[in-house]
Amino acid sequence: DQQVKQNSPSLSVQEGRISILNCDYTNSMFDYFLWYKKYPAEGPTFLISISSIKDKNEDGRFTVFLNKSAKHLSLHIVPSQPGDSAVYFCAASPLNSGNTPLVFGKGTRLSVIA
Amino acid sequence: DAEITQSPRHKITETGRQVTLACHQTWNHNNMFWYRQDLGHGLRLIHYSYGVHDTNKGEVSDGYSVSRSNTEDLPLTLESAASSQTSVYFCASSVGQINSPLHFGNGTRLTVT
Repeated sequence: DQQVKQNSPSLSVQEGRISILNCDYTNSMFDYFLWYKKYPAEGPTFLISISSIKDKNEDGRFTVFLNKSAKHLSLHIVPSQPGDSAVYFCAASPLNSGNTPLVFGKGTRLSVIA
Repeated sequence: DAEITQSPRHKITETGRQVTLACHQTWNHNNMFWYRQDLGHGLRLIHYSYGVHDTNKGEVSDGYSVSRSNTEDLPLTLESAASSQTSVYFCASSVGQINSPLHFGNGTRLTVT
């Protein structure tokens, strides 16, 4: 049973526009969420995170929104740049249940077209 | 600079052979993890360790083993390689604090023929 779902395998966006990547989760114990970015032939790198006490976290062009009641989070990239083309993984874990490993979604491949 | 290194970057082996993938980190992190990445499955956890002599099974641990004899290394062994284990393998580490972000290596692409 998949606990973290990224239902869009791919997304294409024009340069300068907004990219919105979505993630849903089923485990109500999850209260800490992260986004990772992965380029080909490299390991994933941490991008941004949010805990359940917040509904928004912003870092430059990247903003993550969390809707706890809907068990949904999204990553917004504004404005999108060609260098943002990568696979984005959503990850989650329970913050207060010890050192539980992250659970990852399947990833969404973002292509930003110049 | 501290880093996490995986070797080899590419490996081709035959079915039934034992294979060991190396992971070495100089962050002095307590936590280390092995994931595999497959098309349509994303990143799936194989094994993880929270410190020396500690190992735990992940979601897809069958056919794999790990040992943690020091802080820096967590080698992943495929006891008898199978074609289903053809994948890209990522090692990661993190500080021992709850939910500290993972630092990933650049991966090992393993092909089992």
